Amino acid sequence: QSALTQPASVSGSPGQSITISCTGTSSDVGGYNYVSWYQQHPGKAPKLMIYEVSNRPSGVPDRFSGSKSGNTASLTISGLQAEDEADYYCSSYTSSSTLVFGGGTKMTVL
Amino acid sequence: EVQLLESGGGLVQPGGSLRLSCAASEFTFSNYAMTWVRQAPGKGLEWVSAISGSGGSTYYADSVKGRFTISRDNSKNTVYLQMNSLRAEDTAVYYCAKGLCSVGSCGRRHFDYWGQGTLVTVSS
Repeated sequence: QSALTQPASVSGSPGQSITISCTGTSSDVGGYNYVSWYQQHPGKAPKLMIYEVSNRPSGVPDRFSGSKSGNTASLTISGLQAEDEADYYCSSYTSSSTLVFGGGTKMTVL
Repeated sequence: EVQLLESGGGLVQPGGSLRLSCAASEFTFSNYAMTWVRQAPGKGLEWVSAISGSGGSTYYADSVKGRFTISRDNSKNTVYLQMNSLRAEDTAVYYCAKGLCSVGSCGRRHFDYWGQGTLVTVSS
């Protein structure tokens, strides 16, 4: 199972919006609404930000939103804040009953 | 507050074995699937293995199938990862993660709590 494709890096200024894409195939992202997004700060464990494409767990700010079109899922962060600077990973359930992660995106707040 | 505490990591020679443990607390452990995810130094996350709440179903990444075995002891609220025939490419921080939901296979798809990780280094 190949890793999902994410941009290596994205950046934005405080207050702006950014979008991170996550591209897979019809056997994972395109075939199921089981995409998650995780935020990971250096040296820390990942934190769930979005599940089932667009649902936010309690406690996650509504500045974070998710969507999907075809084989590509997206995470949008609006009103960027300094504390949003982190690595972001998408994941998707697969037709093999396994899970696959994206390669990760380093998000920098300028 | 849910807690997951991994242990058992360390330095092991290629071909060797190691057993990781993840002790869970503050939730009904047997109701949730548990998953191991690893992260090689400076690299991204890689899904390794998952086990259903009852322990009756297990799942593995192709990269570890036949070498790693996941199991759980619901009486001890602990999930294990037995790693055999270790290779240099298995070097990583290994995280255990709790499934988001307690019903169906949802718990294997999204993880709401993660441990702090335990480092496994495979080197001679």
